[in-house]
Amino acid sequence: QKEVEQDPGPLSVPEGAIVSLNCTYSNSAFQYFMWYRQYSRKGPELLMYTYSSGNKEDGRFTAQVDKSSKYISLFIRDSQPSDSATYLCAMMQGGSEKLVFGKGTKLTVNP
Amino acid sequence: NAGVMQNPRHLVRRRGQEARLRCSPMKGHSHVYWYRQLPEEGLKFMVYLQKENIIDESGMPKERFSAEFPKEGPSILRIQQVVRGDSAAYFCASSPILDEAHKLFFGSGTQLSVL
Repeated sequence: QKEVEQDPGPLSVPEGAIVSLNCTYSNSAFQYFMWYRQYSRKGPELLMYTYSSGNKEDGRFTAQVDKSSKYISLFIRDSQPSDSATYLCAMMQGGSEKLVFGKGTKLTVNP
Repeated sequence: NAGVMQNPRHLVRRRGQEARLRCSPMKGHSHVYWYRQLPEEGLKFMVYLQKENIIDESGMPKERFSAEFPKEGPSILRIQQVVRGDSAAYFCASSPILDEAHKLFFGSGTQLSVL
């Protein structure tokens, strides 16, 4: 079983839709949970990070962590064509300096 | 404030040649990380360096790969005697201080193609 599983998609939605992206993981020692956005031929850009469980909101983006289920989510409200990118989840143990990434989900928002 | 700078953006090498990838961290950042993204795979950690020190190289292949971050100048990822399986995007990231690896800033990457 991979440490981090992420459905690669692709996912295609109309503009204005609510998008739900998810990852599951197997390592219960993970404490930091990150979402990165990667445009084509660019490096990943940090969107949000969460420490331990709970929710975090930033504008149109909401990150959720459920440690009991080993499941994390990113919700994008009122999606825009500019949100079209690959979304990567990443996780890290406390005291570590290594991120473990999912394979990424490719999202297309159609005007 | 310039971000993490990587060069070259694209590098083509023939099998058996050497590849040198450079990374200049963000200004004020003294922690550098290298990640590799193989086709259809997620980003994989390779190595974590501070100035003049390799802190964690547990993700580096045992042979042909080396990394450095000298006191002056960029961090270098060196791949000797490249093989086709080394073809990938190599990303460098930096952070300002210890315990900030969950807030990394990534460069745009170097796409290595081995013919």
